[in-house]
Amino acid sequence: QSVLTQPPSVSGAPGQRVTISCTGSNSNIGAGFDVHWYQQLPGTAPKVLIYGKINRPSGVPDRFSGSKSGTSASLAITGLQAEDEADYYCQSYDSSLTSYVFGTGTKVTVL
Amino acid sequence: EVQLVESGGGLIQPGGSLRLSCAASGFTVSSDFMTWVRQAPGKGLEWVAVIYSSGVTSYVDSVKGRFTISRDTSKNTLYLQMNSLRTEDTAVYYCARLDTTVGFDYWGQGILVTVSS
Repeated sequence: QSVLTQPPSVSGAPGQRVTISCTGSNSNIGAGFDVHWYQQLPGTAPKVLIYGKINRPSGVPDRFSGSKSGTSASLAITGLQAEDEADYYCQSYDSSLTSYVFGTGTKVTVL
Repeated sequence: EVQLVESGGGLIQPGGSLRLSCAASGFTVSSDFMTWVRQAPGKGLEWVAVIYSSGVTSYVDSVKGRFTISRDTSKNTLYLQMNSLRTEDTAVYYCARLDTTVGFDYWGQGILVTVSS
């Protein structure tokens, strides 16, 4: 059971905006540990989408953005495209577990 | 170009042992933080182990005492020795580099380990 909770699925029509929440606690996100987001396309390894809560690696479209407030973080995808269909995971560090932790994962479906 | 290539997976009986390898190129394994992350079939990602550049290691509770992460500087290769395997260890295992700023920034293609009788 992950300590970072995400909605199992979100969906939207092409062009719409969707958000994915990542709810943690005072021993991980709330403690100030970095939050990173990963995109995993079917049958492939995850890749970094957002790092340090709000930063994008080169090559990641600016349609993807991250934010953080208190013990939670969010990933927003604006102008949803068919190629965005994938699983998305948040990730941080937990000081109580002394462990790197991933969120439960969210499947994004483009209608 | 950074590349990570895992090998050593397969089918193993419960209680058995297996050693995974991850050959790295484009950077030096011993200079960075290296990890293993696994994903059970149809499930989410789970961090398994890390070896820091200092050589210090850390593990998720479920594998402590059974798995050992190590590296060979001469071969620029990361390893995961898995003993006393359980059916719940069945997963695709990824090696990944951990950057202190970016997170898990480079991943291998993954290798399937199936623990079953």
